Amino acid sequence: KAGVTQTPRYLIKTRGQQVTLSCSPISGHRSVSWYQQTPGQGLQFLFEYFSETQRNKGNFPGRFSGRQFSNSRSEMNVSTLELGDSALYLCASSPGTIPSPYEQYFGPGTRLTVT
Amino acid sequence: GENVEQHPSTLSVQEGDSAVIKCTYSDSASNYFPWYKQELGKGPQLIIDIRSNVGEKKDQRIAVTLNKTAKHFSLHITETQPEDSAVYFCAASPSNDYKLSFGAGTTVTVRA
Repeated sequence: KAGVTQTPRYLIKTRGQQVTLSCSPISGHRSVSWYQQTPGQGLQFLFEYFSETQRNKGNFPGRFSGRQFSNSRSEMNVSTLELGDSALYLCASSPGTIPSPYEQYFGPGTRLTVT
Repeated sequence: GENVEQHPSTLSVQEGDSAVIKCTYSDSASNYFPWYKQELGKGPQLIIDIRSNVGEKKDQRIAVTLNKTAKHFSLHITETQPEDSAVYFCAASPSNDYKLSFGAGTTVTVRA
């Protein structure tokens, strides 16, 4: 099976702009989670989607949003970018249902740099 | 929310020796505990996981132990090899939460 794919892999944006990141989960997986990874804060949960519905959300401002499509692909959007949004954004794919609802498999990430 | 602490932050071992990383968690509702390995420029890779109804799990040179009473779990790597050098993360998740809370990571260096 192909793994989790994320596009683009690298992105440079300017403060105030917005950005959209894309994630294609492992075939058959219905759950997609997003995490932000920074040297200072580590890996932090953003949100999780299952069958186009957000099931859980982390403690991030409303500038961070996401969605999931009927084919399980997901996008996350960050509006009004700030310098502190520079990070590696990771997408994780999971079956989302029994017998292995919690196993998460990560993609390579999108490296976002805000200048 | 769940708080996961991980120790040590760095670990240097001689090739062939064992490496042990320890994590504690705060939420007694957590019942799923995965471990990830992250190499430079890559996303975290799931290497082993354990659920709360099991005390120990092994997969070749890797083993994880869980003590629910003390709220801690550990990763054991035996016969370390240079390719084991990476950053290792522990995580915890309560059931029906679908969210992983991660430790801060341990940078493991295996000296040849």
